[in-house]
Amino acid sequence: DAGITQSPRHKVTETGTPVTLRCHQTENHRYMYWYRQDPGHGLRLIHYSYGVKDTDKGEVSDGYSVSRSKTEDFLLTLESATSSQTSVYFCAIRESELIKKSDTQYFGPGTRLTVL
Amino acid sequence: SQQGEEDPQALSIQEGENATMNCSYKTSINNLQWYRQNSGRGLVHLILIRSNEREKHSGRLRVTLDTSKKSSSLLITASRAADTASYFCATASGAYNTDKLIFGTGTRLQVFP
Repeated sequence: DAGITQSPRHKVTETGTPVTLRCHQTENHRYMYWYRQDPGHGLRLIHYSYGVKDTDKGEVSDGYSVSRSKTEDFLLTLESATSSQTSVYFCAIRESELIKKSDTQYFGPGTRLTVL
Repeated sequence: SQQGEEDPQALSIQEGENATMNCSYKTSINNLQWYRQNSGRGLVHLILIRSNEREKHSGRLRVTLDTSKKSSSLLITASRAADTASYFCATASGAYNTDKLIFGTGTRLQVFP
């Protein structure tokens, strides 16, 4: 699993509440990603980070914000959760090789979020 | 919008048979990757093929890439029950920035013992 953990693994919350998901990696990778997975849509990129305090939007970023104050942690925040944000959220890191550039990504185990 | 579209959406076969999944994409790419996802788990990288490659092998996996048709296929030979999973293609694009992958919607493979 490339040393990637996600917390919490499951969460049930109510509409309008803020939610923060955490992704933690132990191998000092520069690139980190947040995806959501929904039936019929595959994985869609929410936000990604290419370094501490360096982030960019993905395909479905509305309603989400991210922060990366340390290399090892990438936080995804739903400022005011809505039912449409019920999904499985995956964090990933990109393998970073100084000599041979690689685009391979390694995924965490996922967080199942239900917004009632 | 999805870059890759897998075909078929679902596939059921018997152990020992070969499984073929196809992926079509829309724009030029730097590389195309295949991932596997077991139920309730994260995705696992299987194989990467670069835009200047036409075929690649890894164990029982064979991937082909046809950039003129913007398509790729994943062949799993002599399938096993443990191959039951969803399979996704993902493309990396851009002349200078390949930071992002765009995933397809996946093929669900069921291998019966």
